Amino acid sequence: EAQVTQNPRYLITVTGKKLTVTCSQNMNHEYMSWYRQDPGLGLRQIYYSMNVEVTDKGDVPEGYKVSRKEKRNFPLILESPSPNQTSLYFCASSLVGGRVITDTQYFGPGTRLTVL
Amino acid sequence: GQQVMQIPQYQHVQEGEDFTTYCNSSTTLSNIQWYKQRPGGHPVFLIQLVKSGEVKKQKRLTFQFGEAKKNSSLHITATQTTDVGTYFCAGTTNSGYALNFGKGTSLLVTP
Repeated sequence: EAQVTQNPRYLITVTGKKLTVTCSQNMNHEYMSWYRQDPGLGLRQIYYSMNVEVTDKGDVPEGYKVSRKEKRNFPLILESPSPNQTSLYFCASSLVGGRVITDTQYFGPGTRLTVL
Repeated sequence: GQQVMQIPQYQHVQEGEDFTTYCNSSTTLSNIQWYKQRPGGHPVFLIQLVKSGEVKKQKRLTFQFGEAKKNSSLHITATQTTDVGTYFCAGTTNSGYALNFGKGTSLLVTP
């Protein structure tokens, strides 16, 4: 079954304690992306990756890091989480053709993060 | 950065009424995608439009991409309670692969 998985699904942590949210896809997609969703602000892109070792900033990259060492995995790293990073996070993946993200972008189930 | 504006923010309709949400971009888009998110769920891809003036239909849903590739709309005919959710548009420009989402339109359908 084609899917994007995220772990953990829920996390409560404290300010400054480094954490990693994992994302994995089984569709051999080149494009992977992280979003955060906040009430009234919709979905905002944090980082995206066009392929292995190729990453780029989205709209709100401050306070986040990513890596793409393997095609299937795209972890999101918060080196020193702060309360303003409390949010619902989604990972997504898609095929790419030329300069267009082709067809369906699949979203993971989401990770609800609370930073105290 | 690129701004994708979406209106209205909320829409409450009676079952059977039509519904339309609009997206406008400050810059020309290379493509636009539409998503639906049910309460408590994750966004689900509906469709992608690439060509200027393109119109696509999925049953009661009609998607349009403007001639100038700066605006798009989603129209639902004869809404049903299963249409409840938030509808997002998202676009990319020719200058990169960043995907910018509108803030979404939350649709409530009452029987």
